[in-house]
Amino acid sequence: GAVVSQHPSWVICKSGTSVKIECRSLDFQATTMFWYRQFPKQSLMLMATSNEGSKATYEQGVEKDKFLINHASLTLSTLTVTSAHPEDSSFYICSATSPLVGGIHEQYFGPGTRLTVT
Amino acid sequence: DAKTTQPPSMDCAEGRAANLPCNHSTISGNEYVYWYRQIHSQGPQYIIHGLKNNETNEMASLIITEDRKSSTLILPHATLRDTAVYYCIVVGEYGNKLVFGAGTILRVKS
Repeated sequence: GAVVSQHPSWVICKSGTSVKIECRSLDFQATTMFWYRQFPKQSLMLMATSNEGSKATYEQGVEKDKFLINHASLTLSTLTVTSAHPEDSSFYICSATSPLVGGIHEQYFGPGTRLTVT
Repeated sequence: DAKTTQPPSMDCAEGRAANLPCNHSTISGNEYVYWYRQIHSQGPQYIIHGLKNNETNEMASLIITEDRKSSTLILPHATLRDTAVYYCIVVGEYGNKLVFGAGTILRVKS
């Protein structure tokens, strides 16, 4: 149980275009979803926290107008990278939690999406 | 949330126990110790967590010192598939954010 999927697993886009990444909890309803970014040889950095039906809370230094997060249902959150630039190339990972599945600290992570902006 | 300190890397022979230390000297009474691991190019995976008592599950054991200032994650019989970055994270009782440090790269060798 507690499976989280991401789509796509990798994407290449041209500079200036936008790309959407989906995160789904497959077998549980996630009250909270998180989005992380990981650059090569670095650790995960939390970008934002989103709760179903409400606006996402962004970490300091993360541009909310550039990284649009929508958490429309208890099983789906999307991250849209708008006007992508090469420096946005990174590994984007989502996670989900539910108080009914493992508790608020036990996050279930997706497999990640590798974004390359050319 | 309290900061954690882990060695940057460790090696372990296949079949032997892997003991991964973590220092969290500023941990407060209501903060938990969580361990996650990340295999290369995958999302992290929850391993185990604890507050005061030692904990064991099917993946690992967590030993927390009596003063709670440090802990050790034990993989009893390491396999090559346990090669990963292991993260020790301290999180408050009511907090829900995980702050990932650099972690420990564990290399299991045959």
